[in-house]
Formats: sequence, structure tokens, C-alpha cells
Amino acid sequence: EAGVTQFPSHSVIEKGQTVTLRCDPISGHDNLYWYRRVMGKEIKFLLHFVKESKQDESGMPNNRFLAERTGGTYSTLKVQPAELEDSGVYFCASSQGIGPGNTIYFGEGSWLTVV
Amino acid sequence: AQSVTQLDSQVPVFEEAPVELRCNYSSSVSVYLFWYVQYPNQGLQLLLKYLSGSTLVKGINGFEAEFNKSQTSFHLRKPSVHISDTAEYFCAVSDPSGGSYIPTFGRGTSLIVHP
Repeated sequence: EAGVTQFPSHSVIEKGQTVTLRCDPISGHDNLYWYRRVMGKEIKFLLHFVKESKQDESGMPNNRFLAERTGGTYSTLKVQPAELEDSGVYFCASSQGIGPGNTIYFGEGSWLTVV
Repeated sequence: AQSVTQLDSQVPVFEEAPVELRCNYSSSVSVYLFWYVQYPNQGLQLLLKYLSGSTLVKGINGFEAEFNKSQTSFHLRKPSVHISDTAEYFCAVSDPSGGSYIPTFGRGTSLIVHP
């Protein structure tokens, strides 16, 4: 069974440019999460989809970030325009249900460097 | 909102020595606690979790953690580490009383096992 896959694994862009990160959750997982880790800091929650609906987007830092999950399958996270402080690792995760009995599976992360 | 403190950013240890990685969380009536591990170039993987019941939780790869409600701690231990345990370890807490099961993560502790 394929795990959570993320693309690209690494991206270097200039300040002001746009980057789109993609996440393919485990097949059948309705819940999809985005997290971000800035170097040396905690992994911070960004948002949570249930199928195609945004259940919780309280962690989105500002309106330069746009997440979508059309059709309830894969998700994209777009940063436009990128700023230096957006650099970090963006993790995607998925789970079948919600609640502690449901394990959240993480992808390997997309490393974003804004120069 | 919950917060998680991992006091040690790095823990160096020799192979076959015991190790303890510390984790404290902000108090609440009841919480769920998790330890995740990230091996180099891989995604986060669940090591173990505490939901209820016995305060000593056993996980994969010989790790265990003890939930201490009075000290609001959930320290991770292994009696004898291997080189392959070198990785970053993240403690996380979920507080359902706040209406969400989504875990909040700490900053991570880098375990470095020397031969």
C-alpha cells in the first residue's frame, strides 16, 4: 500500500515567486492535514480537510497560502508570493477517520527554501 | 490551547546506553499523547501513543513512554540504543476537550547515537 506522497521533495525559489506543493494521501483516507516546520521549531498545524471541505484552517499563516483538495483526493498548497520566512518543511498527513484511535500517517515532507 | 515542551534539542548517547527524551505538556483534564520519529529522509512515523489505561506505554523498536499526570510529562525511554535509533523524535499532544483531535507537536529532539 502506497503511503502519503509529496511532491516536490525539494524546491528553491526566489522571494516573490509562486510554489505549489502537492500531496497524495493514502487511498481511502478522507482526512488530510498540512503541517509546517520552520528550521529548529515545532511542527505547526496549518489546516485539515475532510474530503474536499476545509474542516479547520486556523493554522494558515496568512492569505498568501491557499490550500485546495478538489474532488477529495489529492491536495495542493500554494504559496504566492513566497517570502523568506516561508522556508521550511511542509508535511502532509492523512488518516482514515479522526480521533485518537486513528493513526495519522505522514509524508516525507516538501523542503521549501525561499532565497 | 495545548503546548508541548521538549527541553532537549539534542541528545548524544553511546550505543547500548540507555536514553530518556523528555516531554512536558500544558495541563488539561485529559489528553492523548504521542511520540513520533523521523528517520533521515523519511516521514514521521508513530512510535507509540497513550490514550487511557496503563500509564506505561510500549511502542515499536523497544521504546516505551510513561504518562505522569501530576507532572504533565510523557518521557520516552529505551534501555539500550542502537546506531539505527539516530533520528529526530517529536512529542505531540491532542486535547479533545478543545474540540479537536489534531495533535500539537513539540520542537523535536535529535537523538544522536555514537558507536
